[in-house]
Amino acid sequence: DAKTTQPNSMESNEEEPVHLPCNHSTISGTDYIHWYRQLPSQGPEYVIHGLTSNVNNRMASLAIAEDRKSSTLILHRATLRDAAVYYCILRDPGSARQLTFGSGTQLTVLP
Amino acid sequence: ETGVTQTPRHLVMGMTNKKSLKCEQHLGHNAMYWYKQSAKKPLELMFVYSLEERVENNSVPSRFSPECPNSSHLFLHLHTLQPEDSALYLCASSQDPRETQYFGPGTRLLVL
Repeated sequence: DAKTTQPNSMESNEEEPVHLPCNHSTISGTDYIHWYRQLPSQGPEYVIHGLTSNVNNRMASLAIAEDRKSSTLILHRATLRDAAVYYCILRDPGSARQLTFGSGTQLTVLP
Repeated sequence: ETGVTQTPRHLVMGMTNKKSLKCEQHLGHNAMYWYKQSAKKPLELMFVYSLEERVENNSVPSRFSPECPNSSHLFLHLHTLQPEDSALYLCASSQDPRETQYFGPGTRLLVL
């Protein structure tokens, strides 16, 4: 599986935008970029995924670099409930049955 | 609420006990998964079931025995566990193994 690199931790102020980076320089052409998050004492929760184009949903936006070697998850207005570990995962739907989780980024939101 | 429920939420067991973890999904999905999350380690996939057949077993010791009686239910039977098996056990489901996975809240297991 292609590997992703994320900062261990980030801080944000409440009601400000948050940009969570992910590097994946060995991404293959068929890998989708997935983001999940895990709130304290809960299971992981799907956030968003994309292949080449930027994606938006009610939770977040995903900005994908033109060469696809990096991506950024954008939370437009962070709330205290967004404090979680955010995981960036590459997955080829044609071959991978599993999600391979790394260590993720621990996001702290300051009031 | 993700549509995936797990019971019990917490479990303490001795090394000679037998217990079972239960997972139920209300999403009409055809694939179900068991993951293990140990302290300070990434989630590790244990088992994958698709249409009630086991399609993946990630070198999990035989003291963990999965069972999938139908597409809505998944069990993990535990027998003679070790203290290092203490972890959060997470169940997930998806429409099929290539689709987005939805996780339950997990069972926090402590083996004494």
